[in-house]
Amino acid sequence: NAGVMQNPRHLVRRRGQEARLRCSPMKGHSHVYWYRQLPEEGLKFMVYLQKENIIDESGMPKERFSAEFPKEGPSILRIQQVVRGDSAAYFCASSQNLDTDTQYFGPGTRLTVL
Amino acid sequence: AQTVTQSQPEMSVQEAETVTLSCTYDTSESDYYLFWYKQPPSRQMILVIRQEAYKQQNATENRFSVNFQKAAKSFSLKISDSQLGDAAMYFCAYRSIIQGAQKLVFGQGTRLTINP
Repeated sequence: NAGVMQNPRHLVRRRGQEARLRCSPMKGHSHVYWYRQLPEEGLKFMVYLQKENIIDESGMPKERFSAEFPKEGPSILRIQQVVRGDSAAYFCASSQNLDTDTQYFGPGTRLTVL
Repeated sequence: AQTVTQSQPEMSVQEAETVTLSCTYDTSESDYYLFWYKQPPSRQMILVIRQEAYKQQNATENRFSVNFQKAAKSFSLKISDSQLGDAAMYFCAYRSIIQGAQKLVFGQGTRLTINP
């Protein structure tokens, strides 16, 4: 059973470009969470999605950031007009069931903004 | 809002010895989950152990065990017979059971060094 997949593992963007981060949850998992880890800090929650629905986006910056989890395909975290402060590791986690669920993490995408 | 605090930015231990990492949290909820995750240099987040707040018995996974003190809102991790592969950042995390609020709230982390 493949784990949570994220791609790309490393992404370099220049200021003002767009970044798209992809997350494929574990097989059978329908809940996806995105977290951001700034250097030397813990992970901070960004958004929680189920298929075709955003459940909790309380951690998402109000501008430039968006997320989706379509019926088919991976979840996408999109950052428009990136700035240097967006440089971080972005982790996706998935879980199967609301009641039992441990969140299993992907390997992360390290975004560097030049 | 819930908060998680890890008061030890760094800890070190001799190989084969025992070390305890501290974690405290703040919540007004009566039922919830607590976790310890390990982040080695590869940066992959690996689940170490999980505790349900309604269970009085402390969780154990091989060399890893917790001391869960619900009234004190304390959740420490004990690593016995430390091994070089245990070297990593360790994060304590809280999760609500309320539907729609299942996000993990992480502490700042403790960097554990194992001395050979």
